[in-house]
Amino acid sequence: EDQVTQSPEALRLQEGESSSLNCSYTVSGLRGLFWYRQDPGKGPEFLFTLYSAGEEKEKERLKATLTKKESFLHITAPKPEDSATYLCAVPLHSNDYKLSFGAGTTVTVRA
Amino acid sequence: EAGVTQFPSHSVIEKGQTVTLRCDPISGHDNLYWYRRVMGKEIKFLLHFVKESKQDESGMPNNRFLAERTGGTYSTLKVQPAELEDSGVYFCASSPYEWAPLHFGNGTRLTVT
Repeated sequence: EDQVTQSPEALRLQEGESSSLNCSYTVSGLRGLFWYRQDPGKGPEFLFTLYSAGEEKEKERLKATLTKKESFLHITAPKPEDSATYLCAVPLHSNDYKLSFGAGTTVTVRA
Repeated sequence: EAGVTQFPSHSVIEKGQTVTLRCDPISGHDNLYWYRRVMGKEIKFLLHFVKESKQDESGMPNNRFLAERTGGTYSTLKVQPAELEDSGVYFCASSPYEWAPLHFGNGTRLTVT
């Protein structure tokens, strides 16, 4: 059973073309949702933690939001350096620290 | 501060051989995790150490996998004997406390032929 589903699988954007990535989850009693960025050949790099519905966090051109069933990662006026795979992850159980990762969305930003 | 370091970055071995992966976490991080991504799949949890103790090893696929964490510092993950389905990228991550964001290493790409 999929607990974390990300869409779309891939996203090709023109520089400056804003868009959003989706992460939906089925874990009950969510204790946190994590967004990571992964570049080719590298490990995931932490971006944000969201803890409760309605919470928003921003970093440069990225903004993450959270509802009771999904999270969005908004990329505003992206640049080529924003090209990466974006992963979301949630703890498997409410009292657990091990993360269940989505398959990721690969974003390519063309100049 | 130095990040999480993994060695080797790549390993190619034959089926039936043994391989040992090493992870050096960020200094002072008591929590150490192993994850892996096999071809076409999501990153999956393998196990969690708190200092030198195994807190959770529910993700270990079978008894061919053995993880240790000597003195609560670096960790090793041994696969013996390796099978074809063990191919993938093995990530190590560390954190200063539970629920803190994980700091990942760049992974070890294991290919079993």
